[in-house]
Amino acid sequence: GAVVSQHPSWVICKSGTSVKIECRSLDFQATTMFWYRQFPKQSLMLMATSNEGSKATYEQGVEKDKFLINHASLTLSTLTVTSAHPEDSSFYICSARGTGTGGTEAFFGQGTRLTVV
Amino acid sequence: AQSVTQLDSHVSVSEGTPVLLRCNYSSSYSPSLFWYVQHPNKGLQLLLKYTSAATLVKGINGFEAEFKKSETSFHLTKPSAHMSDAAEYFCVVSQLNSGNTPLVFGKGTRLSVIA
Repeated sequence: GAVVSQHPSWVICKSGTSVKIECRSLDFQATTMFWYRQFPKQSLMLMATSNEGSKATYEQGVEKDKFLINHASLTLSTLTVTSAHPEDSSFYICSARGTGTGGTEAFFGQGTRLTVV
Repeated sequence: AQSVTQLDSHVSVSEGTPVLLRCNYSSSYSPSLFWYVQHPNKGLQLLLKYTSAATLVKGINGFEAEFKKSETSFHLTKPSAHMSDAAEYFCVVSQLNSGNTPLVFGKGTRLSVIA
């Protein structure tokens, strides 16, 4: 299947700093990317949907100024957690759908564990 | 609107016995249905998917699922559990043939396998 690479796999940052997470589709063009957040022992909660070249659509309750999403190319989307606080500590996962993947299936990155201290 | 209900938050089986993870869905559209597995601190791996072809879908690692429209169910089964099957399993629904709609996740079922 298609491959989505997410980087970094884990990061520790100080409170108040910003962290950028990258999500790349390696062998297909990701027309749509999704960002999820997962708390321990819970399911994935959709944060936002981004289409290449457009502004992201955020789910209700997700602060767009805090979680900046950029989808500038068909192979790269980034999530920047700005002014991170301990409550932002979580597992973040991206997924991508696009041309050449069969359409309906979404492929997931490996996830990024963010710890804010 | 679409939603998924995974009927069991935790299932425990003995190694070598059958596995049944239950999932019911609700969808206003013709659905695509998926089962994903997640091992601790890892991303998600697709086990199998239903996209309106055969109702009995075979996936990786011996898993299979049957789409039953009349029961709005998509239960995951495996004849014989292995220790390596212990993980979190998510049933997922999406709109058929729509690349822009996100996947809607169930709350997950944790599978434990006892030696």
